[in-house]
Amino acid sequence: QVQFVQSGAEVKKPGASVKVSCKASGYTFTSYGIHWVRQAPGQSLEWMGWINAGNGNTKYSQKFQGRVSITRDTSASTAYMELSSLRSEDTAVYYCGRSASLDYWGQGTQVTVSS
Amino acid sequence: DVVMAQSPLSLPVTLGQPASISCNSSQSLVHSDGNTYLNWFQQRPGQSPRRLIYKVSNRDSGVPDRFSGSGSGTDFTLRISRVEAEDVGVYYCMQGTHWPLTFGGGTKVEFK
Repeated sequence: QVQFVQSGAEVKKPGASVKVSCKASGYTFTSYGIHWVRQAPGQSLEWMGWINAGNGNTKYSQKFQGRVSITRDTSASTAYMELSSLRSEDTAVYYCGRSASLDYWGQGTQVTVSS
Repeated sequence: DVVMAQSPLSLPVTLGQPASISCNSSQSLVHSDGNTYLNWFQQRPGQSPRRLIYKVSNRDSGVPDRFSGSGSGTDFTLRISRVEAEDVGVYYCMQGTHWPLTFGGGTKVEFK
């Protein structure tokens, strides 16, 4: 069965960077894109970016352009999302999901930004 | 960016009664390939979102048939024919026709 396992919760100071991983299993990793979506406390869902797991092409939300980087390691069937220059407003749960249809999601990774 | 407007914000429901959530997009969601990429998600408290409906009206595997989706162009609806206890949570519409993907603000379904 398709499954995504994300890395554990992180606490970071303002200005730092965070890198979240998303390990896929149950399907051919390179056949689908991986999207990253975040959810601030009590808020809706916000799309951050996407990677084509096959060729590594990426696309980012203009809001995060320059601060976010999405990469993948095909040998490990894992995608990564790195967000830099963290501020308190980046405190959120970060999710990975499969394809633009988001048919499968990871369990989420809590990232807390606090001095 | 395409704005997805959901209503109502909060939906008090009664067990066994029907419920309906509306989603309107600021642009047509008909893709150049002829498909309409409008999905519905359910997020139960403390859980990740789960896709219920894709391309307007297709139910995902394992989703009870009391859930149905309809609509076209810019106006879409998610219906629950008879609400059950496990349906409590927040429901989101999402469009995948235009970049970037965008979500509605969510509708919280809770019992009266």
